[in-house]
Amino acid sequence: QKEVEQDPGPLSVPEGAIVSLNCTYSNSAFQYFMWYRQYSRKGPELLMYTYSSGNKEDGRFTAQVDKSSKYISLFIRDSQPSDSATYLCAMSGASGSARQLTFGSGTQLTVLP
Amino acid sequence: GAGVSQSPRYKVTKRGQDVALRCDPISGHVSLYWYRQALGQGPEFLTYFNYEAQQDKSGLPNDRFSAERPEGSISTLTIQRTEQRDSAMYRCASSSSLAGANTGELFFGEGSRLTVL
Repeated sequence: QKEVEQDPGPLSVPEGAIVSLNCTYSNSAFQYFMWYRQYSRKGPELLMYTYSSGNKEDGRFTAQVDKSSKYISLFIRDSQPSDSATYLCAMSGASGSARQLTFGSGTQLTVLP
Repeated sequence: GAGVSQSPRYKVTKRGQDVALRCDPISGHVSLYWYRQALGQGPEFLTYFNYEAQQDKSGLPNDRFSAERPEGSISTLTIQRTEQRDSAMYRCASSSSLAGANTGELFFGEGSRLTVL
C-alpha cells in the first residue's frame, strides 16, 4: 500500500461545477499538506499549502485537512477550462529526513467549456 | 534565469551508457531537490541538497545513481550503466529556504525526459 493514495481519475466536469479532489494517507507523521497543479508537459506548481488540520481558502480554491481521518481535500468552485490539469497532493513530516515531499499519483481534471 | 532550468530536455541513450542530467536552480535558492516522475504518477523523491551538502539520498534507487552540487548552485544527477527501467522524467526543484519541502515552497523545472533503449 502506498503512503499516499489519490484517485487518478480522469475527472471531467462542465464549466462552473464544483470539483472535489481527495487524498488519503497512512503516515501519521505527515504534518504539512500541499496541492500542486501540473499542466501538460510542465513541472508541478504549488497551489495550496496547509499545516496540520483545518481549512484554508484562496479565491476559488479551498484545502481541507482532517488528520484524524488521514484525509485531505481540494475544492474548486466555479471551475474554469483553465483549471484543466493534473492535481497532485503532497505531504511531508516535521523534521530530519522527512523533509522530502511524498506525492500522490495525481488526478487528471478536465473542465469542459 | 527566472525559473529552474534543466538540460537536456530529452535524452535517448542505449542501455549500459552513462548519462548526466543538469539542473540550474533559481538564483539564490539554497535547497535543491531531485525527483523522478513516471508517466501517470506523482514525483518520487531521490535526493536533496542544502547548499553544497547532500542531506538525504535515501530515495536514490541504487548505487548507479549519484548526485552532486559542488558549489551550491548547479547540480548534476548521474546515472551509470543505464537500464531500461531508468526511463522516466527526472525533475529538479529548488527552494529559497532550508525548510523547503515542509512549506511546499518548491519550484520545479520542466524536467529531463530520459529514454533508455
